[in-house]
Amino acid sequence: GAGVSQSPSNKVTEKGKDVELRCDPISGHTALYWYRQRLGQGLEFLIYFQGNSAPDKSGLPSDRFSAERTGESVSTLTIQRTQQEDSAVYLCASSLDRGVYYEQYFGPGTRLTVT
Amino acid sequence: QQQVKQSPQSLIVQKGGISIINCAYENTAFDYFPWYQQFPGKGPALLIAIRPDVSEKKEGRFTISFNKSAKQFSLHIMDSQPGDSATYFCAASAGSNYKLTFGKGTLLTVNP
Repeated sequence: GAGVSQSPSNKVTEKGKDVELRCDPISGHTALYWYRQRLGQGLEFLIYFQGNSAPDKSGLPSDRFSAERTGESVSTLTIQRTQQEDSAVYLCASSLDRGVYYEQYFGPGTRLTVT
Repeated sequence: QQQVKQSPQSLIVQKGGISIINCAYENTAFDYFPWYQQFPGKGPALLIAIRPDVSEKKEGRFTISFNKSAKQFSLHIMDSQPGDSATYFCAASAGSNYKLTFGKGTLLTVNP
């Protein structure tokens, strides 16, 4: 089937506004991950979902960041009161299940620019 | 704290040459070491991965070499092609952990 999709592909927002980023995982994948990729940096883990619960939110940089997932389907990452340092590519990945034995498949990312 | 250090930052290789990218890690609990390839505008895609029970894994033109005592692993691309031009990321994970810790990436350019 289709791979991981993310929308929008690009988002430009003014400082202080809220943004919502969407991820559609591969059908049947129970695990879903959000990563952030700053310019010239590797990917940073943000949050992990198993089904619709998030047992690990340790990578969320501040309480302005939140995420939710509907069942084993769509996930939304919300950033409130955006700051310029939030500018990055936000990548979503999904895998059949948790653990290193299950490959993480990445979406194309959402490029967020905060002006 | 950067747990996976990757070098070089960028690499230019002639077509047919060997591309070598190195990574070093600190966390001795890491036991899964994947390499990802990322083309512009695309998400990273798994290229090849190794576990520390072997010192080398080869898939086609791509080889991972792993040195557990030195806590280092490297990606070798043999007979590099212009189509290999991309950013390569090493990563590491521990046990049943799901979190991947990534290096900062290497921009590989293969000149025709």
